[in-house]
Amino acid sequence: GAVVSQHPSWVICKSGTSVKIECRSLDFQATTMFWYRQFPKQSLMLMATSNEGSKATYEQGVEKDKFLINHASLTLSTLTVTSAHPEDSSFYICSARETSGSFPSFGPGTRLTVL
Amino acid sequence: QKEVEQNSGPLSVPEGAIASLNCTYSDRGSQSFFWYRQYSGKSPELIMFIYSNGDKEDGRFTAQLNKASQYVSLLIRDSQPSDSATYLCASNSGGYQKVTFGIGTKLQVIP
Repeated sequence: GAVVSQHPSWVICKSGTSVKIECRSLDFQATTMFWYRQFPKQSLMLMATSNEGSKATYEQGVEKDKFLINHASLTLSTLTVTSAHPEDSSFYICSARETSGSFPSFGPGTRLTVL
Repeated sequence: QKEVEQNSGPLSVPEGAIASLNCTYSDRGSQSFFWYRQYSGKSPELIMFIYSNGDKEDGRFTAQLNKASQYVSLLIRDSQPSDSATYLCASNSGGYQKVTFGIGTKLQVIP
């Protein structure tokens, strides 16, 4: 149980384009989803927290207009990196939890490379 | 100031030995603590969680928490080469709303 998937698992794009990453909870309804970013040899950094049907809460220093998060249903959240640049190249990981008392499960991650 | 601190390693131990991984945290409001294992290029997987002072054992893994010292550790007994990975310590301040991760300690188990 508590399986989270991400799509795509890796993506390469040109600088200036937008990339959408999907995070799905496969066997549960996720009231809250979290988006993390991990640069090489660094820790996971929380980017934003999204609750279904409401606006995402972004961490300090994360540009909400650049990283668009949509949590329109209880099983799907999307992260769109707009006008991507090489410095956005990173490993993006989502996690989702069913209720406020449950542990979040991590998705497999999406490797983004911006050329 | 980093909220969760770990030595990045690498920590090398021979196969069969006990690996000891340590972590300190700065937020006294932290309530729960987690150890995740992350293989290269993969997302983290939860190994242990602990929220009470003392030890918690699960198979070859023992998590230890000392809230007075703001210290968390993970012991891996009978280390195996397959245990070679980066171990992330994490904490949260309640409700699992925000989990803060350390940089992770790279463990190498030498056959």
